Amino acid sequence: RKEVEQDPGPFNVPEGATVAFNCTYSNSASQSFFWYRQDCRKEPKLLMSVYSSGNEDGRFTAQLNRASQYISLLIRDSKLSDSATYLCVVNNAGTYKYIFGTGTRLKVLA
Amino acid sequence: DVKVTQSSRYLVKRTGEKVFLECVQDMDHENMFWYRQDPGLGLRLIYFSYDVKMKEKGDIPEGYSVSREKKERFSLILESASTNQTSMYLCASSLFGTAYTQPQHFGDGTRLSIL
Repeated sequence: RKEVEQDPGPFNVPEGATVAFNCTYSNSASQSFFWYRQDCRKEPKLLMSVYSSGNEDGRFTAQLNRASQYISLLIRDSKLSDSATYLCVVNNAGTYKYIFGTGTRLKVLA
Repeated sequence: DVKVTQSSRYLVKRTGEKVFLECVQDMDHENMFWYRQDPGLGLRLIYFSYDVKMKEKGDIPEGYSVSREKKERFSLILESASTNQTSMYLCASSLFGTAYTQPQHFGDGTRLSIL
């Protein structure tokens, strides 16, 4: 089983729709969680950190469910510019290692 | 804003050459990392460094070495380039976190082709 798992998609949604992705992790000692956005042939860019039970930044909401060991990303009112791959990243307590999911691809359609 | 700068966006080298990839960050971050990213495999850690002159192997260090002589600079060296090292190379840095790990910030990436 992979340490961090994401549905690769693609998720094809119309503009204005709400879409949610999940990311599951296998190590219960995982302590820090992040969502990154990566455009085609570009570097990953930090979207948001998920340190507690959840946080919100504009149209984006991230949630952490420690009991079920997953984090989620909700995007409301999708824009064409939200089309990208979304990477889930997990860090285990006491290590320098960041574990990346392989990403979920989102396509927002006009 | 954090700025992580990689020396080249695109690089073409020949098999057997010694290749240097440079990375500089301007935010006084303690931690620096080198990854490669290949389709279907995601990001894989090659090496990381948590302090000047300190380095740790990642998941795929074979064929690579690193150098960190100054806090802001972390270099990746391909000792003798091979075609299977053709990839996108990403440098990242992060601040040392006491309670929780701090997020990484990435450079633009270097697309390296070995012919």
